[in-house]
Amino acid sequence: GESVGLHLPTLSVQEGDNSIINCAYSNSASDYFIWYKQESGKGPQFIIDIRSNMDKRQGQRVTVLLNKTVKHLSLQIAATQPGDSAVYFCAENGDQGGKLIFGQGTELSVKP
Amino acid sequence: EPEVTQTPSHQVTQMGQEVILRCVPISNHLYFYWYRQILGQKVEFLVSFYNNEISEKSEIFDDQFSVERPDGSNFTLKIRSTKLEDSAMYFCASSEKSGRYNEQFFGPGTRLTVL
Repeated sequence: GESVGLHLPTLSVQEGDNSIINCAYSNSASDYFIWYKQESGKGPQFIIDIRSNMDKRQGQRVTVLLNKTVKHLSLQIAATQPGDSAVYFCAENGDQGGKLIFGQGTELSVKP
Repeated sequence: EPEVTQTPSHQVTQMGQEVILRCVPISNHLYFYWYRQILGQKVEFLVSFYNNEISEKSEIFDDQFSVERPDGSNFTLKIRSTKLEDSAMYFCASSEKSGRYNEQFFGPGTRLTVL
């Protein structure tokens, strides 16, 4: 069935450290994944995406890794800042119509 | 920068009442979506809409829900007879194109509280 899940509900890191947020998915046919950031009181905000023909994609301070063998993806945030504090969702867009299937979310807290 | 807007930011209603949640998608976008998020839970897809028709809907989107694009700018979600379990954040999203590889832009959400 459709399922995208996260390993940890909360993650606390020190400012300046790197953060790694993990996500597992169950549908082997999934071929497109997106990471969203949701700050308190706001809607999800696109961070980065990756297609299944890639293992890694980098953005500004963020990297997404995709391991299709174990159906796992991760979001790495370099030099985490207080402004990175938010809930992070992985989502799967496996539908031609554009429906997004979200995972449970990991709340990232950055300690100064 | 263009953004999706939603009104109201918070709606309180009595069980059994009708509510209409409003969204103004980004102006050149053609594909529209509604999602909801019950407190502390994940975001769930409700419905997608294109060319004045529903493209896809989830099991949550039953006969009590309807969507409409009444004019060239607004996109609305109506709940005919609200239930306690309809209490959630409702997010509108839009995208320029359809399909699995096109970014959806989300609005700030409407918090619906059903008493």
